[in-house]
Amino acid sequence: RKEVEQDPGPFNVPEGATVAFNCTYSNSASQSFFWYRQDCRKEPKLLMSVYSSGNEDGRFTAQLNRASQYISLLIRDSKLSDSATYLCVVNSNSGYALNFGKGTSLLVTP
Amino acid sequence: DAGVIQSPRHEVTEMGQEVTLRCKPISGHDYLFWYRQTMMRGLELLIYFNNNVPIDDSGMPEDRFSAKMPNASFSTLKIQPSEPRDSAVYFCASSLDVGAEQYFGPGTRLTVT
Repeated sequence: RKEVEQDPGPFNVPEGATVAFNCTYSNSASQSFFWYRQDCRKEPKLLMSVYSSGNEDGRFTAQLNRASQYISLLIRDSKLSDSATYLCVVNSNSGYALNFGKGTSLLVTP
Repeated sequence: DAGVIQSPRHEVTEMGQEVTLRCKPISGHDYLFWYRQTMMRGLELLIYFNNNVPIDDSGMPEDRFSAKMPNASFSTLKIQPSEPRDSAVYFCASSLDVGAEQYFGPGTRLTVT
């Protein structure tokens, strides 16, 4: 089983729509969780950390479900500029390095 | 503040040649990571350093790959000899602490013909 699994998509949504991505992880002892965003031919950039109680940053909401070992990202009122690949990131079995999922591709259309 | 700096941004070389990729982490970050990204395999961790010491190199594909960090502000990833299957984008990232968010450089796009 892969350590971090994501639906690769693509998710095609119209502007203004709400879209949600889920990600599952295999190591129940994982402590750090993040969502990164990667634009085409660019480096991954931190979008937001994910906290146990859930957290929100503008139109973006991240949730963590430790019992089921998944994290989610909700994007409300999608913008064209949200089109990117979203990477789910969890710290590894070693407790040191982060494990990156392969990403979920989002395309927001006019 | 300057982010992670990588050079070169693009490298095209012939099979069998030596390739050296360079990275300058964010000042004050004790951890430095080298990744390789391809469409097929996504982002793969190759090796990471803590305070200039290699901690885990289990992701290095084979002996043709080597990495060094002679000081806190510089690291290299070397491929010798290079092969076409090494073609990928190589990212360097740095972080403040174990399990903390990592900050990536712009990457080096390597093409081996």
